[in-house]
Amino acid sequence: DQQVKQNSPSLSVQEGRISILNCDYTNSMFDYFLWYKKYPAEGPTFLISISSIKDKNEDGRFTVFLNKSAKHLSLHIVPSQPGDSAVYFCAASSGDMRFGAGTRLTVKP
Amino acid sequence: DTAVSQTPKYLVTQMGNDKSIKCEQNLGHDTMYWYKQDSKKFLKIMFSYNNKELIINETVPNRFSPKSPDKAHLNLHINSLELGDSAVYFCASSQVFGGSSYNSPLHFGNGTRLTVT
Repeated sequence: DQQVKQNSPSLSVQEGRISILNCDYTNSMFDYFLWYKKYPAEGPTFLISISSIKDKNEDGRFTVFLNKSAKHLSLHIVPSQPGDSAVYFCAASSGDMRFGAGTRLTVKP
Repeated sequence: DTAVSQTPKYLVTQMGNDKSIKCEQNLGHDTMYWYKQDSKKFLKIMFSYNNKELIINETVPNRFSPKSPDKAHLNLHINSLELGDSAVYFCASSQVFGGSSYNSPLHFGNGTRLTVT
């Protein structure tokens, strides 16, 4: 029962361009959404979050958009940098946190 | 200064053995968790502990048992290991249960890769 889905296992973009990572969820009770970034051999680290009462949250090069009617959120990274290459996990919470399977982003120089 | 540390980083053992993974956090958080990342890369919650009380126990086998001597530690004991237990196990902590607060996301350790042969 995967309530949080990231349907793209991988994404490759050129340095300087925009990276868009997508996430869908099924549980309408989720009220808080997060993105985590994970490098190899490390644990996930918190990147950015958004409450269900908002539709956009921006932090530097990172912006998260939430479309509640579509049960969809996305992470935009602009401009993308080679150091952004990592696995990005979408997560949603209504008390306990559920994670997607992750999208591996590769930013090419 | 590592915030959430877990040991060992790698653990290779045979079926039927009993093993433990240790986790410590120095963030002063009230809640700790164990997550399992399976072969399909999903992070699935196993346990949550808040002030030494079990909050969530998802449908994990009772061969898995969390032990919390104090709120800074949450160890994972696994009895009678099976091949299917091979995975990466992550410890995490947060100030607020569920990490569903702007100021209280989950902080993860670097994971323990368990291989059962």
